[in-house]
Amino acid sequence: EPEVTQTPSHQVTQMGQEVILRCVPISNHLYFYWYRQILGQKVEFLVSFYNNEISEKSEIFDDQFSVERPDGSNFTLKIRSTKLEDSAMYFCASKLAIFPGELFFGEGSRLTVL
Amino acid sequence: GQQVMQIPQYQHVQEGEDFTTYCNSSTTLSNIQWYKQRPGGHPVFLIQLVKSGEVKKQKRLTFQFGEAKKNSSLHITATQTTDVGTYFCAGSQGGSEKLVFGKGTKLTVNP
Repeated sequence: EPEVTQTPSHQVTQMGQEVILRCVPISNHLYFYWYRQILGQKVEFLVSFYNNEISEKSEIFDDQFSVERPDGSNFTLKIRSTKLEDSAMYFCASKLAIFPGELFFGEGSRLTVL
Repeated sequence: GQQVMQIPQYQHVQEGEDFTTYCNSSTTLSNIQWYKQRPGGHPVFLIQLVKSGEVKKQKRLTFQFGEAKKNSSLHITATQTTDVGTYFCAGSQGGSEKLVFGKGTKLTVNP
């Protein structure tokens, strides 16, 4: 069964460092997302991406965050200068079409900022 | 902004008992989705409800979408240990790509 894959599974970084989280969405999907989940809390929307551009972003997704789809398969989330409060599980998700809206989530990348 | 409230936060049941989690949105939703997250896992899609008053069943799971499209519930009949996990509702408004998740209901099932 096709799945969304994410790397790394866990990244530990120092505050102020840049981090890139990578995702390979399901191959025929067109809509891509990043969500995050602080430990034990709810899943929060960060950004949606369609047709090679951001379609929507949340207030969390400030200038320190960026997304890119550098080739036909990868979808990356970059955090330019990490803060302690960026520590969370970051989930990449994709879906085939606007409707139905089933999101396929990856296993997540745990980011720990020290 | 849009908020989605979910109760209860935790539910402990004996195997065989029923379980219900409730979801309320501060705004009218275009659709609501339910996800299950096992401990240490990622959210896995269960169902999407779109129509006012819609009821859908998946084996022992029954999902409802309120008439006003502002609330929803998930009911599990005769829970099993495999039902353990956190159940999240997530709603979106018309024209938005953003899914707003509730805080989830963590279900534990004692065998």
